[in-house]
Amino acid sequence: QVQLVQSGAEVKKPGSSVKVSCKASGGTFSSYAISWVRQAPGQGLEWMGGIIPIFGTANYAQKFQGRVTITADESTSTAYMELSSLRSEDTAVYYCARVGVRIVPAAMSYNWFDPWGQGTLVTVSS
Amino acid sequence: DIQMTQSPSSLSASVGDRVTITCRASQSISSYLNWYQQKPGKAPKLLIYAASSLQSGVPSRFSGSGSGTDFTLTISSLQPEDFATYYCQQSYSTPSFTFGPGTKVDIK
Repeated sequence: QVQLVQSGAEVKKPGSSVKVSCKASGGTFSSYAISWVRQAPGQGLEWMGGIIPIFGTANYAQKFQGRVTITADESTSTAYMELSSLRSEDTAVYYCARVGVRIVPAAMSYNWFDPWGQGTLVTVSS
Repeated sequence: DIQMTQSPSSLSASVGDRVTITCRASQSISSYLNWYQQKPGKAPKLLIYAASSLQSGVPSRFSGSGSGTDFTLTISSLQPEDFATYYCQQSYSTPSFTFGPGTKVDIK
C-alpha cells in the first residue's frame, strides 16, 4: 500500500520561495503521476500541477505557470513542489497525491487522486 | 477550461437521512468524474471514481451516478462519521484537473 509522507510546516517571507517534498513508500513510484493540490484556509481544493516521475516532464495549472516547479527524484521516490515569489495569498495547506489510473481500450484512461499526503502548511507572513 | 459547480454549498441533515449532492460540469466530461470526502484538518479521501465506481474500502451507502454534465453523490443513510465536506473533480482534461467548490454536510 503506497503511502505519501510530506515535509513539515514552513513559515516564509513574502517574495521568497518554498520547496515541499513528498516521499512515497510501499509501492511503485516512477510510473504513477504525482499531483499537487493546495487548500487555502477555509477554502476549497485547487490543483496546481503534476509530474510523471519516469518521464520527468511536469504540467502546471495556468494560474501557477512561471511560479511553480514540480520535480521528482526516482532514486529516493520523492516528488517536490517549489513555489516562488510567495505572497500572503499563498498561505495554504499543500497536498501531494498519487494519480491512480484505469486504462480503457480505445478511450481515454480514468484518473483519480489516491492516496494523498498528510499535507504541509505553508504560512507566508512578514 | 472546464468549470465545476456543486449544489448545495452546504446542507444540514440527520443521522439516517438520505443525502444527495449534485455536481455539474461546464461541458460534457462523459464519466470522468470523481468524488472526495474531507474532514477538518485531514487530507481528502477518494470515495468514487469514474462517476460510479466505489473505491475499495468505502462503505456501500455511498454511490455515484451521472454522465455528461450532471452527476450525483448519494449517501443512502447518513452516519455520524459522514459529516464532512464533499468535493467533485473532473479528470476529462487530464493531465489537468478541476475540483468543484465543495458541499459541507453538517448535523441538523
